[in-house]
Amino acid sequence: GAVVSQHPSRVICKSGTSVKIECRSLDFQATTMFWYRQFPKKSLMLMATSNEGSKATYEQGVEKDKFLINHASLTLSTLTVTSAHPEDSSFYICSATGEETQYFGPGTRLLVL
Amino acid sequence: DQQVKQNSPSLRVQEGRISILNCDYTNSMFDYFLWYKKYPAEGPTFLISISSIKDKNEDGRFTVFLNKSAKHLSLHIVPSQPGDSAVYFCAARWTGGFKTIFGAGTRLFVKA
Repeated sequence: GAVVSQHPSRVICKSGTSVKIECRSLDFQATTMFWYRQFPKKSLMLMATSNEGSKATYEQGVEKDKFLINHASLTLSTLTVTSAHPEDSSFYICSATGEETQYFGPGTRLLVL
Repeated sequence: DQQVKQNSPSLRVQEGRISILNCDYTNSMFDYFLWYKKYPAEGPTFLISISSIKDKNEDGRFTVFLNKSAKHLSLHIVPSQPGDSAVYFCAARWTGGFKTIFGAGTRLFVKA
């Protein structure tokens, strides 16, 4: 099946710094990618839809200036958490749509100290 | 507004028996439904899907049933295996919209 990778898998950073997470579709082109966040014991919360070559579409309540999304190519989308705070600590998951099914990356665990 | 609901946070089943995970939705625009399986600290993996034009889809030990009039779908796993222990997410979307709405998940425990 289709493969989506994420890098890094885990990151620890200091409060106030920025962290970039990469999402790649390895064997298919994805004009649309999605970024989710999962809180402990909660469902996946869609943060934004990343569109290749255009601006991302953010869900209500998600700060676009804090969570910068860039979809520079058909196989790469990046999420940058700017000026990270401890409350940004979470599990971030990206996904890409291949044919009819969404394929998910393995996730990135972010811990902000 | 929770459009996709999984009311059972957890389910415990004996190995070899049937696991039935339930999901309800409220948006009648949804026409495609998916089940994902997720292990801790990993991304969800696609399990099985069903289009609204069908009422059943089977793939090996996994069968998904859709009752459109009740806005209800279920995932049956038979026979259940210890390796099936994971969180199962029900998800739905509509034609023309790639946005997928997820339920809260049900944690399945299969005891050997």
